[in-house]
Amino acid sequence: EPEVTQTPSHQVTQMGQEVILRCVPISNHLYFYWYRQILGQKVEFLVSFYNNEISEKSEIFDDQFSVERPDGSNFTLKIRSTKLEDSAMYFCASSVRGDYGYTFGSGTRLTVV
Amino acid sequence: DAKTTQPTSMDCAEGRAANLPCNHSTISGNEYVYWYRQIHSQGPQYIIHGLKNNETNEMASLIITEDRKSSTLILPHATLRDTAVYYCIVASGGTSYGKLTFGQGTILTVHP
Repeated sequence: EPEVTQTPSHQVTQMGQEVILRCVPISNHLYFYWYRQILGQKVEFLVSFYNNEISEKSEIFDDQFSVERPDGSNFTLKIRSTKLEDSAMYFCASSVRGDYGYTFGSGTRLTVV
Repeated sequence: DAKTTQPTSMDCAEGRAANLPCNHSTISGNEYVYWYRQIHSQGPQYIIHGLKNNETNEMASLIITEDRKSSTLILPHATLRDTAVYYCIVASGGTSYGKLTFGQGTILTVHP
């Protein structure tokens, strides 16, 4: 069964450092997403991406965050200057179209120290 | 997107059917009902979705009431591996580009 692949599975970074979280969506999917889940809290929407541009973003997704699809396969989330409160599980997801079920990756646990 | 109400937790015996209810009384005509689950901090897993007709796939069945104000997810023969948090989400298709708003969900515990 096709999978969404996320790397790394766990990343530890110092406060103020830049991090890039990487995702390889399912190859024929057209819609891409990032969600995050702070420990013990709800899964929260960050951003959706379609046709090489952001289609929607949440209040969490401020100027410190950016997304990119640098080639035909990767989808990345960059946090420019990490804060302690950015510590969370970050999930990438993709879907064939916007009204269909999404496939989530297994997540990257980001720990900011 | 419409809000949903789910019980905080439910128990089920292994091998029995698990029936998870969800209320979405403010659902609008173009909004779908999606069910996802999350096993122990893994990524959410899509289960099933529907608009107004009942749906069935290899994982579960989704029963949507005629007025669409509530639905029930049915796992026909629950196993220990079905222990997870189950999320009922209402979201519009098309122009919202698939943003899902997760609530707290229902913690389903399947007992031997």
